[in-house]
Amino acid sequence: KQEVTQIPAALSVPEGENLVLNCSFTDSAIYNLQWFRQDPGKGLTSLLLIQSSQREQTSGRLNASLDKSSGRSTLYIAASQPGDSATYLCAVSGATNKLIFGTGTLLAVQP
Amino acid sequence: DAGVIQSPRHEVTEMGQEVTLRCKPISGHNSLFWYRQTMMRGLELLIYFNNNVPIDDSGMPEDRFSAKMPNASFSTLKIQPSEPRDSAVYFCASSPQGALEKLFFGSGTQLSVL
Repeated sequence: KQEVTQIPAALSVPEGENLVLNCSFTDSAIYNLQWFRQDPGKGLTSLLLIQSSQREQTSGRLNASLDKSSGRSTLYIAASQPGDSATYLCAVSGATNKLIFGTGTLLAVQP
Repeated sequence: DAGVIQSPRHEVTEMGQEVTLRCKPISGHNSLFWYRQTMMRGLELLIYFNNNVPIDDSGMPEDRFSAKMPNASFSTLKIQPSEPRDSAVYFCASSPQGALEKLFFGSGTQLSVL
């Protein structure tokens, strides 16, 4: 059974810092990995999707990497801003065509 | 496109009552997912449909829960009878093709069962 873990559970950084969020998964037989953002009281917004054959994806200040063999992904946020404050979740899909979510990292960027 | 639309946004009901949550997926998306989110268990997949057909309902907690997708533009999740432990945020999501592509989530329904 696929299990997805995110560390740390919460993170607080001053504005302008670069930061890394971590995601690990137990079954390396995945099709893709997605990173989502969730604002309080809102739904999830897909940020990046990395196919299993890819090593990384970039969108603006966000860069996600994938090491499928070791079961790890990182989300790098450059030059963090208060508007980046949210919960970040990673999720993996596999042969069952279901997306399994991690528990998320709550990020607070202090102005 | 207006995105995935869920209704109601908030539902407060008493234990034993029937609850119906509604979802309109993005037009043209073939897959629809129902998730439940709680502090204790995070996001759990309840059921997903592909081309209006339920593919996997292994996450449905018990017989009190049922889901339907009568056509490509509408789905319901019903709880009957509801219990306090069903209190959670229920999300609907759709995608062009299962979990192989990006999922688009609705804003969720906050359910409180008293």
